[in-house]
Amino acid sequence: DGGITQSPKYLFRKEGQNVTLSCEQNLNHDAMYWYRQDPGQGLRLIYYSQIVNDFQKGDIAEGYSVSREKKESFPLTVTSAQKNPTAFYLCASSAGYRTEAFFGQGTRLTVV
Amino acid sequence: GQQVMQIPQYQHVQEGEDFTTYCNSSTTLSNIQWYKQRPGGHPVFLIQLVKSGEVKKQKRLTFQFGEAKKNSSLHITATQTTDVGTYFCYGNYQLIWGAGTKLIIKP
Repeated sequence: DGGITQSPKYLFRKEGQNVTLSCEQNLNHDAMYWYRQDPGQGLRLIYYSQIVNDFQKGDIAEGYSVSREKKESFPLTVTSAQKNPTAFYLCASSAGYRTEAFFGQGTRLTVV
Repeated sequence: GQQVMQIPQYQHVQEGEDFTTYCNSSTTLSNIQWYKQRPGGHPVFLIQLVKSGEVKKQKRLTFQFGEAKKNSSLHITATQTTDVGTYFCYGNYQLIWGAGTKLIIKP
């Protein structure tokens, strides 16, 4: 089945630790995105990538980092510099800028 | 910066009543997409509107794109329990999302 896989579904992190969220797609899409969603809120763009080895900051990139070494993979690292990391993180991909986005199931990150 | 305002934030309806959500952009949008997110789930693409004044229908859902390409609406006729969720508009070329409208069916 083609789609986007995010792992893990739930993640607990101690304060001060970095954590990496996985996002893999087998849709052969060029563009990939990371969003953060807080309870009752909309989607806020963290980073996006339109091509391998290139990515751009979104609206709330501070405290996050990404890499795009392979077309199918776009991992997100939540660093200790992110002051309020507890949230629902969604990864998405699209064939191009103007096409529909497909989302993964999301990762719920909780800082304990 | 560019913004897309989406209203209302919540809408409570009786099953069978209609539902409408509106998006207004501060700038002209190249196109607009609509997504639905069920509780606890992830956004799922519904439709894309590209042309000025475009109207598209999907069964009980009607989507409109304004003449100036700065506003859009989603109207659901005769809501059902399966319609529950949050509906988002998205200016995908500008990478800007509305805050969403949550559709709640009154018990």
